[in-house]
Amino acid sequence: DQQVKQNSPSLSVQEGRISILNCDYTNSMFDYFLWYKKYPAEGPTFLISISSIKDKNEDGRFTVFLNKSAKHLSLHIVPSQPGDSAVYFCAASAGGNKLVFGAGTILRVKS
Amino acid sequence: EPEVTQTPSHQVTQMGQEVILRCVPISNHLYFYWYRQILGQKVEFLVSFYNNEISEKSEIFDDQFSVERPDGSNFTLKIRSTKLEDSAMYFCASTSGVDEQFFGPGTRLTVL
Repeated sequence: DQQVKQNSPSLSVQEGRISILNCDYTNSMFDYFLWYKKYPAEGPTFLISISSIKDKNEDGRFTVFLNKSAKHLSLHIVPSQPGDSAVYFCAASAGGNKLVFGAGTILRVKS
Repeated sequence: EPEVTQTPSHQVTQMGQEVILRCVPISNHLYFYWYRQILGQKVEFLVSFYNNEISEKSEIFDDQFSVERPDGSNFTLKIRSTKLEDSAMYFCASTSGVDEQFFGPGTRLTVL
């Protein structure tokens, strides 16, 4: 099941710079997209979401962009901080139902 | 801040034994979910529960699995006869239906 793909297993960024995490999806029925952050031995923590009727949503240092025609979304973190180092999961749902997750991207922010 | 809690944090069991994983969702939430993550793999949906019944289940959620909301606060996942391949992190999640799903810290299930 490859409905949600995160093609970069890891990303390393210098503190203060921008982190860009990418996600692609194949299911046209998805209408709600979320980013979760996960530390080892913890559950996923919600970061930010976007509805398919929007193309951008911003919350502090986090911005999610949605390109429906390309079936692509991205998470921008600026400025990146060492505490942002974690696994980031992209997830999608259709009609507010179950979440379908990507494989995750490990973000390392170097100080 | 309200949170989803799960017990135990780690469960070790012998193959063929029954296990019950427990979750206390956020109190005003109406929709409940179980997901699992096998080591090194994606987080996978198992089952969703609303209005005291299963609303959707995945292919993984076979007859060995069951869910229950025995009272107004707990939400449980039972695996009747565990297999080695059931070893995973199991996450409970809940939502009011108008916001995101909130996840618990997970239960690590190890089947020997």
